[in-house]
Amino acid sequence: GDSVTQMEGPVTLSEEAFLTINCTYTATGYPSLFWYVQYPGEGLQLLLKATKADDKGSNKGFEATYRKETTSFHLEKGSVQVSDSAVYFCALSAGPYNTGNQFYFGTGTSLTVIP
Amino acid sequence: EAQVTQNPRYLITVTGKKLTVTCSQNMNHEYMSWYRQDPGLGLRQIYYSMNVEVTDKGDVPEGYKVSRKEKRNFPLILESPSPNQTSLYFCASSLSVAVEQYFGPGTRLTVT
Repeated sequence: GDSVTQMEGPVTLSEEAFLTINCTYTATGYPSLFWYVQYPGEGLQLLLKATKADDKGSNKGFEATYRKETTSFHLEKGSVQVSDSAVYFCALSAGPYNTGNQFYFGTGTSLTVIP
Repeated sequence: EAQVTQNPRYLITVTGKKLTVTCSQNMNHEYMSWYRQDPGLGLRQIYYSMNVEVTDKGDVPEGYKVSRKEKRNFPLILESPSPNQTSLYFCASSLSVAVEQYFGPGTRLTVT
């Protein structure tokens, strides 16, 4: 079945460091891909999304490109800030041309940014 | 304000005592879903609903029930809670399964 595998954490970075969180997926057809962020004590918020191959989602300095050839959707940010400390989840759902009805989330990657 | 609300936010109960966690959305979304979040396991889908009176099992439905009698509400029912259902629960909604979901604030349930 469909699934998402993301990089284990926790990840600790210094402020202004480069961030990469790896995410790969298994799915039939053409799923939609998402990154969600969860700040302490809160629900999940959409960070960015991509719905077809080679799409690049971006938001708040974060980027991820939908790579069908490598079935990946890695999250990157060029210069992290303390306020980026959170848990990040990669997720997939049925795309416009799929027939699945479920969302699948990765296990989450905890990021701590130290000043 | 567009939002998904859940109640209660925190609940401590005993094994076997039936409970209901409510979920409501004001965005006229058709798709609604329940998840549980456990350390090291991420979010796992319990049940989802494509529309009123249409519900289906997710990956971990055992011990849970849901209903969707109105579009805005999607309660999660634990008929006989057990300690292994201690978890953080999230309700979410979206226009359809293919687009981003909006999450509630979560309900932390402890079953002793």
